Amino acid sequence: DGGITQSPKYLFRKEGQNVTLSCEQNLNHDAMYWYRQDPGQGLRLIYYSQIVNDFQKGDIAEGYSVSREKKESFPLTVTSAQKNPTAFYLCASSIRDRNEKLFFGSGTQLSVL
Amino acid sequence: AQRVTQPEKLLSVFKGAPVELKCNYSYSGSPELFWYVQYSRQRLQLLLRHISRESIKGFTADLNKGETSFHLKKPFAQEEDSAMYYCALRGVGSYKLIFGSGTRLLVRP
Repeated sequence: DGGITQSPKYLFRKEGQNVTLSCEQNLNHDAMYWYRQDPGQGLRLIYYSQIVNDFQKGDIAEGYSVSREKKESFPLTVTSAQKNPTAFYLCASSIRDRNEKLFFGSGTQLSVL
Repeated sequence: AQRVTQPEKLLSVFKGAPVELKCNYSYSGSPELFWYVQYSRQRLQLLLRHISRESIKGFTADLNKGETSFHLKKPFAQEEDSAMYYCALRGVGSYKLIFGSGTRLLVRP
């Protein structure tokens, strides 16, 4: 079954703690993206990666970090520097040259304890 | 500044009524516009793109550069059209999609 898998579905973070959200895809897509969604707002781009071992900051990268060591994996770390981490996080992937058609995961809801 | 505005958070219509979901954009150049949809318990997915000039599930959208709009229309709404709809923009040559805040369409029987 091809697609994008995000885990966990729900995640809780304590003050000062770093947490990592997992995103795995078996679609053989080159490009992967992380978006943040807050209530009443659209999706905002955090980071994106067009190829392995390369990634770029999106509009709201502060307080986040990513890695792209494998084509199928693009984990997002929410660091303690991110002061307002509570949000819904969506991972997506696309064929590099047709990147308007994003395939989305089911999301991770991150909350602060 | 690049921006996508969807002025309605919720649009409620009766089955069989026409539907128009509004989308306005701000972009200094020639953008590409898209509509994404998220049905209940499903993932966000691409509905249509302006360059294709296609009709998907009876929906159409025309890019109006003069009014900087890309409204989504359907002449006769169906209950299965109830979903969250997002308008999105991409600048030519850009890898980044900019999304609006979304409009929830509720089609009542």
